[in-house]
Amino acid sequence: EIVLTQSPGTLSLSPGERATLSCRASQSVSSSYLAWYQQKPGQAPRLLIYGASSRATGIPDRFSGSGSGTDFTLTISRLEPEDFAVYYCQQYGSSPLLTFGGGTKVEIK
Amino acid sequence: QVTLRESGPALVKPTQTLTLTCTFSGFSLSTSGMCVSWIRQPPGKALEWLALIDWDDDKYYSTSLKTRLTISKDTSKNQVVLTMTNMDPVDTATYYCARIRVGYGGAFDIWGQGTMVTVSS
Repeated sequence: EIVLTQSPGTLSLSPGERATLSCRASQSVSSSYLAWYQQKPGQAPRLLIYGASSRATGIPDRFSGSGSGTDFTLTISRLEPEDFAVYYCQQYGSSPLLTFGGGTKVEIK
Repeated sequence: QVTLRESGPALVKPTQTLTLTCTFSGFSLSTSGMCVSWIRQPPGKALEWLALIDWDDDKYYSTSLKTRLTISKDTSKNQVVLTMTNMDPVDTATYYCARIRVGYGGAFDIWGQGTMVTVSS
């Protein structure tokens, strides 16, 4: 059964800084089926990246995704105040069909 | 405009069966590649995938919960129903339904607002 491990658990940064979030899979994941979400308190998650590197509709270009195989990265080039949130990765297609990572919280330093 | 909305009881007792309904609009679950899924999130914890039903009526379940879950759809009503048996306080969570399009990388592109379910006697 595939497990997604996100690191770090918490990232403390200042606005304007670069954020690099990691998602590591216990088995190889198809790059076509790796997604990233942003979730703010009291809200449903919002899709940021699908297919490992494609931005969803309306997502600013400061968000980018990369990676393949078992290692994937979400990068926020310059943190805006509204980017402080929890981020989740998710895979589709490997057994079980769907898995989420445990999340990375990006907090204001 | 695509929307999904969850409905169901806010409070259930231990051992009871939970039934949740996802009512959606703006797309058809008969369209090839279209799927609806359920995800939950206990307070302060991570997202957990529960079940998925696709356009062809194929059903998929979380490995750890599959004995307790049943997902079904009513295409004419644009609804997907999830039942979870033998509820326990650890099942207290916000339950979300969301759309997946297989051709969109298997990602949840539209989510409902979620419904909070508390399991308590």
